[in-house]
Amino acid sequence: TQLLEQSPQFLSIQEGENLTVYCNSSSVFSSLQWYRQEPGEGPVLLVTVVTGGEVKKLKRLTFQFGDARKDSSLHITAAQPGDTGLYLCAGVSNSGYALNFGKGTSLLVTP
Amino acid sequence: DVKVTQSSRYLVKRTGEKVFLECVQDMDHENMFWYRQDPGLGLRLIYFSYDVKMKEKGDIPEGYSVSREKKERFSLILESASTNQTSMYLCASSLYDRFGEQVNTEAFFGQGTRLTVV
Repeated sequence: TQLLEQSPQFLSIQEGENLTVYCNSSSVFSSLQWYRQEPGEGPVLLVTVVTGGEVKKLKRLTFQFGDARKDSSLHITAAQPGDTGLYLCAGVSNSGYALNFGKGTSLLVTP
Repeated sequence: DVKVTQSSRYLVKRTGEKVFLECVQDMDHENMFWYRQDPGLGLRLIYFSYDVKMKEKGDIPEGYSVSREKKERFSLILESASTNQTSMYLCASSLYDRFGEQVNTEAFFGQGTRLTVV
């Protein structure tokens, strides 16, 4: 199993602060995905990064794929309470079908 | 919209019972998956299926089996439920789509089934 390590595991910040979440692996991935999961729901895809060095923006969220395609980061600018949730990174496993997930970063943004 | 529907949101079963978790998707996806999610352990793959009647073991298949008789339906079976199978179970589906070396495997998840085995 290709392991994905996420850090930090927990993050509690005030509204308006910036934050960065990291996803690292010793394996090369053809693509990495970021999901957000809210309590009582299944994860929902935010973005897929496929090219080494790629940067994608989704409103206040900025995603970056490492040059070597082994790591990725998620940066949130001016966090809002609606950003609260579990952020998961995922990469395609060696099977070519299933996704391996990191353990997630649990983010709490308080007003 | 893609929809993945799990038959139950909450289940309470007794130790030793045979438990069926059902999942249906309406997007004609080839791939379907069962994960379990536990605090501190993240999502772990139990089984997946890339075609009707085809199944592959994931990382933690022990104590589970699956059935895929129709493309839209993927069932997870706990042959004899045990307390260590108390967990959130998530079903997902994806369209296998490969362009060169890049694979688009966006996974669409159901809302999950929280299973408690007592």
